[in-house]
Amino acid sequence: DTGVSQDPRHKITKRGQNVTFRCDPISEHNRLYWYRQTLGQGPEFLTYFQNEAQLEKSRLLSDRFSAERPKGSFSTLEIQRTEQGDSAMYLCATSRGAVNQPQHFGDGTRLSIL
Amino acid sequence: EDQVTQSPEALRLQEGESSSLNCSYTVSGLRGLFWYRQDPGKGPEFLFTLYSAGEEKEKERLKATLTKKESFLHITAPKPEDSATYLCAVPVVSGGYNKLIFGAGTRLAVHP
Repeated sequence: DTGVSQDPRHKITKRGQNVTFRCDPISEHNRLYWYRQTLGQGPEFLTYFQNEAQLEKSRLLSDRFSAERPKGSFSTLEIQRTEQGDSAMYLCATSRGAVNQPQHFGDGTRLSIL
Repeated sequence: EDQVTQSPEALRLQEGESSSLNCSYTVSGLRGLFWYRQDPGKGPEFLFTLYSAGEEKEKERLKATLTKKESFLHITAPKPEDSATYLCAVPVVSGGYNKLIFGAGTRLAVHP
């Protein structure tokens, strides 16, 4: 398998700016997840797509966050009007269709808010 | 509330000194438990899935076991390249999909 690819790897921006991250899944994986990880903590679930449908959003995902997965392939996560508290690693994971299939992660986008 | 707790938070071992990491969980209707390895600046790398109590999985110097309330990751004769953060996670199933609930991880450092 070609792994999950995320771009950019690092993003530094000023508070109040908008940022967008991209995730390219493993080709045969129809399930796609976004997680956020802060220093010293495990990843926290943000949102889930099955094909192009966004089926679940965490309470962590404020209205400044939006995610899309057009045509059920790559996904984007956009943060509008960034805040200091948005600084984190944003991870994308994908899996096959069965519920108990492992999720495979990309190497994330590290966001730093100045 | 679904919860995963890992201990210890950090572990320092000498090369060759075997030890175990613990992952305890409270979740309604366990549908498996996952172990991941995470290197600095990288995403979690999948290691094992355990589906039922009594199950064991092995990979090189690592062996994962599962009981009804906890899982252990045993590291036998570790090498410096085993240094990483080890994360465990349980799936919380809702509407036919699973989101993962992670523990905070155990940071393992193996010194020569």
